[in-house]
Parts: sequence; structure tokens; C-alpha cells
Amino acid sequence: QSALTQPASVAGSPGQSITISCTGTRSDVGGYNYVSWYQQHPGKAPKLMIYDVSNRPSGVSDRFSGSKSGNTASLTISGLQAEDEADYYCSSYASSSSLVIFGGGTKLTVL
Amino acid sequence: QVQLVESGGGVVQSGRSLRLSCAASGFTFSSYGMNWVRQAPGKGLEWVAVISHDGIYTNFADSVKGRVSISRDNSNNTLSLQMNSLRADDTAIYYCAKDFRRGYTVRGSFDVWGQGTMVTVSS
Repeated sequence: QSALTQPASVAGSPGQSITISCTGTRSDVGGYNYVSWYQQHPGKAPKLMIYDVSNRPSGVSDRFSGSKSGNTASLTISGLQAEDEADYYCSSYASSSSLVIFGGGTKLTVL
Repeated sequence: QVQLVESGGGVVQSGRSLRLSCAASGFTFSSYGMNWVRQAPGKGLEWVAVISHDGIYTNFADSVKGRVSISRDNSNNTLSLQMNSLRADDTAIYYCAKDFRRGYTVRGSFDVWGQGTMVTVSS
């Protein structure tokens, strides 16, 4: 099972909005509403930001939102802040022998 | 507070074995599925294994299937990962991670992570 496809990097200025895509197949992203997004700062453990495509865990800012269309899921961060600069990973349930697959990660730079 | 603390990492020769542990606290450990996720140096996340809340069901990534086993002790709130026939590409930080939902729901949503333990496989 191949990793989900994410752009290697995205950038935005403070206050702007950015979107990170996560492309899979009908066997993972497209077939189930089980996409999650994680934020990881350097040297730190990942943090769950979005689960089940578009739901935010308690305590996560509403500046973070998720959506899905077909085989592609997206994470949108509005009102960019300096502390949003981090690596972002998507994950999905997969109907294959490896039940969970991650994307390759996207480095977000806040200019 | 809710916490996961991994241990057992280190430097090991290729072909040898290693057992990782994860101590859980601050939540009802026996109610949640638990996972291991790894991250090779400078690389992305890779899911490794899951075990159901009751220890009955397990599942593994293709990359480790047949070489790795996962177990848990709900009386002591501990999770373990036994890794055999280690290879250079097993070198990574290994995180234990708690399923977001109770029971056995493999959806890739992990809401609590440990700080990780580094495993280095040398040739």
C-alpha cells in the first residue's frame, strides 16, 4: 500500500489561509470517511488536529478545518499564525493488509 | 494527566531482537485500542501495529508483518512491541499512540502520543 500523496511544502503569510491536499485511492481516502490530520513541530510528537475528515478534537482551534472530495482530502488553516509552522500529515483507514496509511508529510512555512 | 511513556529503545545489531514498552496513565487503558507508529530520521510517519482494547485483535503493517508482535497488559497499563530480525530500515523513533475512540476502531485517529523511543539498527 503506497503512502498518501501530499505536497512537500506550502507557504503563507500571517493572516492568510492555506490548504494542504492529501490524495489517495478508492481503497482508502475515497472509500471511507476516516481521514485524520496531524501537526508535528520539530522534535515533538504528532498532535491530532482533525479526525473523520472534518471533526476537530476538543482544544483544537477552529482555524483548522478538513474536507474531502473523491479521493482527495484537504486541510485548511485560516488566519495563519507563526506557531502554525510545522509538518502536517494526513492518515486514512485503508482496506488493505496495512490498515492505516499516512501521507508523506507537508512542511508549512509561515513567511 | 493523560500520558504515554515509551522505553526500550537503543542500538541493536541487524538480525537481533528488541522489545519496546509503553506505560500508560491518566485514562482507562483497557478501554482503548493502542498502536505503534514509527518515524525514520528525517522521514514521515509510518503506522506499525494495532492491538484491540481487550488484546484479542492485532494487525500489522506489511513492512513488519511476521517480524513483529504486539501485546498489552491491562492490569499494569502497559503496551509492548516485540521486534525480531531487525533490519537497517527499522531504524526510527517508535511512538505508542492511543486510539481516539473506545473499543476496537481502526481509523487512524490517535489522540495521545508518547514522546517516542529511538531504535537504531546497525550493520
